[in-house]
Amino acid sequence: SQKIEQNSEALNIQEGKTATLTCNYTNYSPAYLQWYRQDPGRGPVFLLLIRENEKEKRKERLKVTFDTTLKQSLFHITASQPADSATYLCALDVGANNLFFGTGTRLTVIP
Amino acid sequence: GAVVSQHPSWVICKSGTSVKIECRSLDFQATTMFWYRQFPKQSLMLMATSNEGSKATYEQGVEKDKFLINHASLTLSTLTVTSAHPEDSSFYICSAPPSGRYDNEQFFGPGTRLTVL
Repeated sequence: SQKIEQNSEALNIQEGKTATLTCNYTNYSPAYLQWYRQDPGRGPVFLLLIRENEKEKRKERLKVTFDTTLKQSLFHITASQPADSATYLCALDVGANNLFFGTGTRLTVIP
Repeated sequence: GAVVSQHPSWVICKSGTSVKIECRSLDFQATTMFWYRQFPKQSLMLMATSNEGSKATYEQGVEKDKFLINHASLTLSTLTVTSAHPEDSSFYICSAPPSGRYDNEQFFGPGTRLTVL
């Protein structure tokens, strides 16, 4: 069965620095991978989708990379702000619009 | 962006009662909706796929007779937790990919916090 590991349960960084979150997966070759943000007590909010034939995708201060050989995606937030503090989830496509989620990394940006 | 709503946002019920949770796509149609469950400090686990006009498909280990799903229209899916027990207490979240879109982005509802006493 598929397995997803997100590098750490929690990550603390200083405001202004770049946050890098890691998502590693095994036993699957997804056509795409997505990143979501989830705030406490709320549903996830879509951030970025990257397809298997794309190496990198950017959206404002966000950047996602996808290495299908390493079976890894990196999620970067540049010039981080306290408002970026949240849990970030990676999710694999497992077919028919189904998503398999990782356990998430709780990011705290310290002012 | 597209909006998905859930009702209620939270519910407290006694053990043995049934609870219905609604998921609505407000500004788009969704032939498929997904129901997830999230326990504290854990990730979202897919429970079932709700299909408009046909039966829902359930993930392994999810009891279809306990978690009744009805996709009544292209904008509404309901999840009924029957004979709820304290172990069913969780955060239930629905999502929907807009029909006809091929970018696979899903829109999630705000979730429903169920507490069974």
